[in-house]
Amino acid sequence: DGGITQSPKYLFRKEGQNVTLSCEQNLNHDAMYWYRQDPGQGLRLIYYSQIVNDFQKGDIAEGYSVSREKKESFPLTVTSAQKNPTAFYLCASSMGDRDGYTFGSGTRLTVV
Amino acid sequence: GNSVTQMEGPVTLSEEAFLTINCTYTATGYPSLFWYVQYPGEGLQLLLKATKADDKGSNKGFEATYRKETTSFHLEKGSVQVSDSAVYFCALVNTNAGKSTFGDGTTLTVKP
Repeated sequence: DGGITQSPKYLFRKEGQNVTLSCEQNLNHDAMYWYRQDPGQGLRLIYYSQIVNDFQKGDIAEGYSVSREKKESFPLTVTSAQKNPTAFYLCASSMGDRDGYTFGSGTRLTVV
Repeated sequence: GNSVTQMEGPVTLSEEAFLTINCTYTATGYPSLFWYVQYPGEGLQLLLKATKADDKGSNKGFEATYRKETTSFHLEKGSVQVSDSAVYFCALVNTNAGKSTFGDGTTLTVKP
């Protein structure tokens, strides 16, 4: 079955360490997205990519980095510069503007 | 710019009650409109969509009609079940914008 996979589901890291969240899709979607969700809040866009080897900053890109070397993969690195990294991170992909997004099941990052 | 406003929650209903969750939007042109559902600890799932004015999206007993004259896309269900308890997000995409704009989400709790 086609889908989008995020791993790991839970991640614990010490303050000051960089951490990379994985996002892989086998839907042949061109566009991929990273969102952050804090408890009881909506989604905030971190980065998005509409094509391989190209990506754009979203609303809250500071302290995060991404790469898009393959169509299937869009990893997110949470750097030590991110002031409050503990959150639920969601990856999504889309074929086109009228198709809607397919979301992964999320990674819950806790920094201690 | 684009924006989506959802009715504030939480919404609590008894089983078999009628559900309406209001969603209004601000956008230029002719956006596509979406409703997503998020169950606890999971990613979002696309529930339904409408891509042009007067279109009605429907899925699993839920419906929403794209009303350009009132810039609205209200979610309705005739008889809710306990299993419908979740957070519901309204969203829009403008053609070629490359990214969605999400509302803040509305939490629905259905009691037996």
